[in-house]
Amino acid sequence: DILMTQSPSSLSASVGDRVTITCRASQSIAGYLNWYQQRPGKAPKLLIFGASTLQSGVPSRFSGSGSGTDFTLTINSLQPEDFATYHCQQSYNTPLTFGGGTKVEIK
Amino acid sequence: QVTLKESGPVLVKPTETLTLTCTVSGFSVNKARFGVSWIRQPPGKALEWLGHMFSSDEKSYPTSLKSRLSISKGTSENLVVLTMTDMDPEDTGTYYCARIFRGSGWSFDFDVWGQGALVTVSS
Repeated sequence: DILMTQSPSSLSASVGDRVTITCRASQSIAGYLNWYQQRPGKAPKLLIFGASTLQSGVPSRFSGSGSGTDFTLTINSLQPEDFATYHCQQSYNTPLTFGGGTKVEIK
Repeated sequence: QVTLKESGPVLVKPTETLTLTCTVSGFSVNKARFGVSWIRQPPGKALEWLGHMFSSDEKSYPTSLKSRLSISKGTSENLVVLTMTDMDPEDTGTYYCARIFRGSGWSFDFDVWGQGALVTVSS
């Protein structure tokens, strides 16, 4: 199974900050990496697919990059509604696997 | 508008079988692009993929749980059923159904999710 490791597991930031979250795969997954946002008590929501393509309706302050084993999710100018947990997920191979999540909290 | 909604018991006893139903609308489960996946999340823990189906003859499950899982079409075209046998307290968590979109290459993403169903396993 491909292990997905996210870092950090949590972070504190202020509104307006730039935030970067990292996801590392245990083997190369090319660009088959997706990012999800999960607000408390809610279902995850697809933000980015294919490592860097923004899902329709997602604000442009979100961006993704990377390929192979190392990927990043960047949020420019953090907004109050962005405080949530972010998950990465690989689709290169089954079982489809998720990272452990990164919780973005208000400083 | 694409929607999915999970339904089923909130409490099951250890060793019992869990049956959850996903009611979908706004799309058809077909072989080409769209299927239905089940994903669970224990309290405070990571998401775990439980499997998906694109058609009756195209299904996939994680090896670690394959012997306990079954995903099938329900009695009508808009229903997808998850069956999980021999439930254990460690299976407690929120169970989501989600639409899985098959893109190019090995691209699979969960682009629309149900609200989730909390299942507790306890005697």
